[in-house]
Amino acid sequence: KQEVTQIPAALSVPEGENLVLNCSFTDSAIYNLQWFRQDPGKGLTSLLLIQSSQREQTSGRLNASLDKSSGRSTLYIAASQPGDSATYLCAVSTPKAGNNRKLIWGLGTSLAVNP
Amino acid sequence: GAGVSQSPRYKVAKRGQDVALRCDPISGHVSLFWYQQALGQGPEFLTYFQNEAQLDKSGLPSDRFFAERPEGSVSTLKIQRTQQEDSAVYLCASSLRVGQGANTEAFFGQGTRLTVV
Repeated sequence: KQEVTQIPAALSVPEGENLVLNCSFTDSAIYNLQWFRQDPGKGLTSLLLIQSSQREQTSGRLNASLDKSSGRSTLYIAASQPGDSATYLCAVSTPKAGNNRKLIWGLGTSLAVNP
Repeated sequence: GAGVSQSPRYKVAKRGQDVALRCDPISGHVSLFWYQQALGQGPEFLTYFQNEAQLDKSGLPSDRFFAERPEGSVSTLKIQRTQQEDSAVYLCASSLRVGQGANTEAFFGQGTRLTVV
């Protein structure tokens, strides 16, 4: 059974720091891994999608890497800003009989960037 | 529309009341998912549609939960005889396709926050 773990659960940093958020998964047979951002009381915003054949994806100050064989992904946030404060969730899309590609989720990392 | 739209954004229901939550996916998206997110938790899968076919409903917590997507676009999640434990945010997501490769990214709506009192 696929399980996704995110470390740390919470992180508080001063503005300007470079950050590393970690995501690990137990079954390396994934189709893709997606990082999301969730602001309090709001829905999920997709940040980056990494296909299983890819090693990394970049979008602005965000960079996500994927090491499928070791079951790990890392989200790097460069030069953090107070507006980056949110909960960051990772989710993997996993093969399943019946053509379902549901996402399996971690519990998230709650990030606070202090001005 | 430009994104996934869910309505209502907030719903307060009295225990025992029936509720219906609506999801408008991105136009043309084949796949539609419903997730339930309790406070402080990650989303939990409820059900999955490919066009109008409900291919997986293994995550529905009880027979009080029912979902449909009759024309392969708009979907409705219905909860009958609501209980306090049903209080959560209900998230809808759509993707153009599933599996490997391009166009598999899942896009989420803002969610419906259901509070059962």
